[in-house]
Amino acid sequence: DAGVTQSPTHLIKTRGQHVTLRCSPISGHKSVSWYQQVLGQGPQFIFQYYEKEERGRGNFPDRFSARQFPNYSSELNVNALLLGDSALYLCASSLGPYSNQPQHFGDGTRLSIL
Amino acid sequence: QKEVEQNSGPLSVPEGAIASLNCTYSDRGSQSFFWYRQYSGKSPELIMFIYSNGDKEDGRFTAQLNKASQYVSLLIRDSQPSDSATYLCAVIRSSGSARQLTFGSGTQLTVLP
Repeated sequence: DAGVTQSPTHLIKTRGQHVTLRCSPISGHKSVSWYQQVLGQGPQFIFQYYEKEERGRGNFPDRFSARQFPNYSSELNVNALLLGDSALYLCASSLGPYSNQPQHFGDGTRLSIL
Repeated sequence: QKEVEQNSGPLSVPEGAIASLNCTYSDRGSQSFFWYRQYSGKSPELIMFIYSNGDKEDGRFTAQLNKASQYVSLLIRDSQPSDSATYLCAVIRSSGSARQLTFGSGTQLTVLP
């Protein structure tokens, strides 16, 4: 079975632009979470979606938004890009949003802002 | 105080030795505990999870949880050079409706041939 798939793998943008990152969860998984990982740090939680509803949001500005589609895939949108948004963006899927359901990560999208 | 703390390392062990990785967490109500392995330039890969006090073994890996001490550890027996990676400890806290992972900064492990 395919794991979590993310696209694109790499992206280069300039300040002020907008970006959309995409994620397809493992088949049968209904919960998707997004994380940002900067070099030398652990991933930081951005959003969690379950059954198309936002279940939680981390400490990120309103420039960050996301949604989940009926097929459980998800998009992360970032507006007005800043240099500090350069990071590895990770999508994780799990069966559901419960604490005993492990999250599995995709390969990530590496975003570079020039 | 950070929510999840790990020694950043680097931790070096000889091939065949036991590597011991430690993690402490601040939220006493934390429910679930995970260890992820991350190779340089790659994404985190889940290797162990533990929910109850005590030990959980899976092959060469043993996770240990002590909720009273707010401490979770990962032991890697018979360490191999392929185990060289950054190991991330993550917990799911008790608050909020989302069950997001809160990560430590990771411990860099090098297994010397």
